[in-house]
Amino acid sequence: KQEVTQIPAALSVPEGENLVLNCSFTDSAIYNLQWFRQDPGKGLTSLLLIQSSQREQTSGRLNASLDKSSGRSTLYIAASQPGDSATYLCAAPSSGNTPLVFGKGTRLSVIA
Amino acid sequence: DAGVIQSPRHEVTEMGQEVTLRCKPISGHNSLFWYRQTMMRGLELLIYFNNNVPIDDSGMPEDRFSAKMPNASFSTLKIQPSEPRDSAVYFCASSLMSGPQVQPQHFGDGTRLSIL
Repeated sequence: KQEVTQIPAALSVPEGENLVLNCSFTDSAIYNLQWFRQDPGKGLTSLLLIQSSQREQTSGRLNASLDKSSGRSTLYIAASQPGDSATYLCAAPSSGNTPLVFGKGTRLSVIA
Repeated sequence: DAGVIQSPRHEVTEMGQEVTLRCKPISGHNSLFWYRQTMMRGLELLIYFNNNVPIDDSGMPEDRFSAKMPNASFSTLKIQPSEPRDSAVYFCASSLMSGPQVQPQHFGDGTRLSIL
């Protein structure tokens, strides 16, 4: 059974810092891994989806990497801004493609 | 483009009442997911459909919960009778699945359910 763990649970950084959020998963036989952002009172917004054939994906200041052999993914945020404050969730399929199993998220606060 | 639309946004009802949550997925998406989010347990999958057919309902807590997808543009999640422990935020999400490659799941804004 897939289990997804995110560390740390909460993180507070000053504006401008680069930071890394960590995600680990127990079943590496996955086809993809996704990172989401959730703002308070809102649904989840997909940030990056990494297919198993890829090692990383980039979107603007965000870069996500995937290492299936070690069961780990990281989300790198460059030059953090107060608008990046949100909860970031990692999700991996329970097997193959679906359904997704979510970590409990990392709550990020970027202080101006 | 319209995203995933859920209704109602908020629902407050008394224990024992029937609750119906509604979801309209993104047009063209062939997979639909119902999730429940609580502080204690995080985000949990309840059930998902592919091409309107329920594929995995192992996350449905008990027989009080039921979900239907009568057509590609509409799904309901029903709780009858409701209990205070059902209080949570319920999300619907949709995506396009074609072979081994999947597209990102798109989430609605959720229904915040409070059972008194």
